[in-house]
Amino acid sequence: GQQVMQIPQYQHVQEGEDFTTYCNSSTTLSNIQWYKQRPGGHPVFLIQLVKSGEVKKQKRLTFQFGEAKKNSSLHITATQTTDVGTYFCAGAGANSKLTFGKGITLSVRP
Amino acid sequence: DAMVIQNPRYQVTQFGKPVTLSCSQTLNHNVMYWYQQKSSQAPKLLFHYYDKDFNNEADTPDNFQSRRPNTSFCFLDIRSPGLGDAAMYLCATSRDPPSASGLTDTQYFGPGTRLTVL
Repeated sequence: GQQVMQIPQYQHVQEGEDFTTYCNSSTTLSNIQWYKQRPGGHPVFLIQLVKSGEVKKQKRLTFQFGEAKKNSSLHITATQTTDVGTYFCAGAGANSKLTFGKGITLSVRP
Repeated sequence: DAMVIQNPRYQVTQFGKPVTLSCSQTLNHNVMYWYQQKSSQAPKLLFHYYDKDFNNEADTPDNFQSRRPNTSFCFLDIRSPGLGDAAMYLCATSRDPPSASGLTDTQYFGPGTRLTVL
């Protein structure tokens, strides 16, 4: 079945540093979504990418969909302590059903 | 505010004792999902309802059942909880179901119910 991989599972950065994480799928995706889960919270939708090579920005967050639609990246510029949490990517296959990755938990040292 | 509500937030049950988790939504969405999330793992879809149409995932154990009596409410029944069923259970909703259109509707998650099995 479809697999969505996020490695590593944990990353620690110094406040102000940039942060990039990647999401890789075993199959070509129809779209990919990113969610953020704060500690003790629930996943909250951030963005959806549909087109090959698509890039979307939300303030300091930049999301990109790979040309082959099998991978995606999330880049955070100048991390802040409010960025802490677990970032999940979720890929949709031909049937558009989402498969979540394990997520990457970001911690930010002030 | 329109939202997804889950009750209770914390549930403790005994091994083998049936338990029901509740989800309600004020978004008037057509689709309701149940996910199981274990520590440091991805949310795993158990099943979803599109209106009254029930869609079970192939690897969801028979121990897990669901009911959707109306648009607003959806229940997760665990008939005989085992120790391995201890997890966070997340309810989510979306306006539209997964389709072949290439777009997947945004899912709105509730706060979750953390289930402990003694």
